[in-house]
Amino acid sequence: GQQVMQIPQYQHVQEGEDFTTYCNSSTTLSNIQWYKQRPGGHPVFLIQLVKSGEVKKQKRLTFQFGEAKKNSSLHITATQTTDVGTYFCAGRGTYKYIFGTGTRLKVLA
Amino acid sequence: GAVVSQHPSRVICKSGTSVKIECRSLDFQATTMFWYRQFPKKSLMLMATSNEGSKATYEQGVEKDKFLINHASLTLSTLTVTSAHPEDSSFYICSARRPGSTDTQYFGPGTRLTVL
Repeated sequence: GQQVMQIPQYQHVQEGEDFTTYCNSSTTLSNIQWYKQRPGGHPVFLIQLVKSGEVKKQKRLTFQFGEAKKNSSLHITATQTTDVGTYFCAGRGTYKYIFGTGTRLKVLA
Repeated sequence: GAVVSQHPSRVICKSGTSVKIECRSLDFQATTMFWYRQFPKKSLMLMATSNEGSKATYEQGVEKDKFLINHASLTLSTLTVTSAHPEDSSFYICSARRPGSTDTQYFGPGTRLTVL
């Protein structure tokens, strides 16, 4: 079945450093979404990418969808302590979204 | 953004009892809601898709007789964990898809179930 993996599993960075998480699907996706889950909280929608090679920016966050629509990345520039949490990608296959394994980000002040 | 509520936020029950969890979309009508299970520090596992007015679609490996889903109205879906056992202890999260939106899922705050 469809699998969505994310790397790294964990990342500790110093405040101000950049951070990137990668999302890889075993199958081609129709679109991909990114969510952020704060510790003890629930996932919150960040963005959706649909087109091959699409790049979208939200302030310090840059999202990219691969040309083959099987991978995606989220890059955070100059991390802040408020960026702490787990970032999930969710890839849409035939009829449902499969959540990635998540990347847990810790930002050290 | 849209608001989805869940009740209760935490529940502790004895083994063998049934627990009902409610998921409500507060400011929009949701024809489709999703139920997920999340283990500590793990990803979200889709359990079932709940469609208003019809039977839920369960994912492979999820027992439909154990996890009863009812989507009785456009704003309410319920998940009942029947004859709960300690291995059912988990974080259960619902989400609702807003009609006309771009597939965005709005998540509820989750329910922490502990079965003793």
